[in-house]
Amino acid sequence: AQTVTQSQPEMSVQEAETVTLSCTYDTSESNYYLFWYKQPPSRQMILVIRQEAYKQQNATENRFSVNFQKAAKSFSLKISDSQLGDTAMYFCASETQGGSEKLVFGKGTKLTVNP
Amino acid sequence: DAGVIQSPRHEVTEMGQEVTLRCKPISGHDYLFWYRQTMMRGLELLIYFNNNVPIDDSGMPEDRFSAKMPNASFSTLKIQPSEPRDSAVYFCASSPSVGVVGQPQHFGDGTRLSIL
Repeated sequence: AQTVTQSQPEMSVQEAETVTLSCTYDTSESNYYLFWYKQPPSRQMILVIRQEAYKQQNATENRFSVNFQKAAKSFSLKISDSQLGDTAMYFCASETQGGSEKLVFGKGTKLTVNP
Repeated sequence: DAGVIQSPRHEVTEMGQEVTLRCKPISGHDYLFWYRQTMMRGLELLIYFNNNVPIDDSGMPEDRFSAKMPNASFSTLKIQPSEPRDSAVYFCASSPSVGVVGQPQHFGDGTRLSIL
């Protein structure tokens, strides 16, 4: 069974600074996908970034990038130049290949960006 | 393009009443997922459908919960009878087939359910 662990329940960062959110996962599959979703106070679940496990290159989306360490089963999210609008819950999730499209989510990290 | 549409956005009802949550997936998406979010348990997958057929309902907590997808553009999650511990935010999400695996799920805005 897949598990996803986010060890930081809460974090805070000053506006314009960089912050890294941690995520580790456990899977026996050889190919899988990893995601970060953002949930602002409005409650929407918004896809931030996606990583395919067989790709060595770390995914980037503007100010968001990941540090994917496959051997360590680590998938951290780096937010550069933090903005007030980045304040949200961030969820790490994994999905395995093999006939199942189920996402397994971590418990989330509450990020607060301070002015 | 319209996203996943859920209704109602909020529902408050008394214990024992029947509750029906509704979802319209994004047109052309073959997969539909129902999740429940609580502070204690986080986001849990309840059930998901592929082409209107339930594939995995192992997350449905009890027989009081049921879900249907009568056609490609509509799904319901029903709780009967409802209990206070069912209070949560319920999300519906959809995703396209693929290349399938790895396609991101698109979430609705959720229904906040409060059972008194």
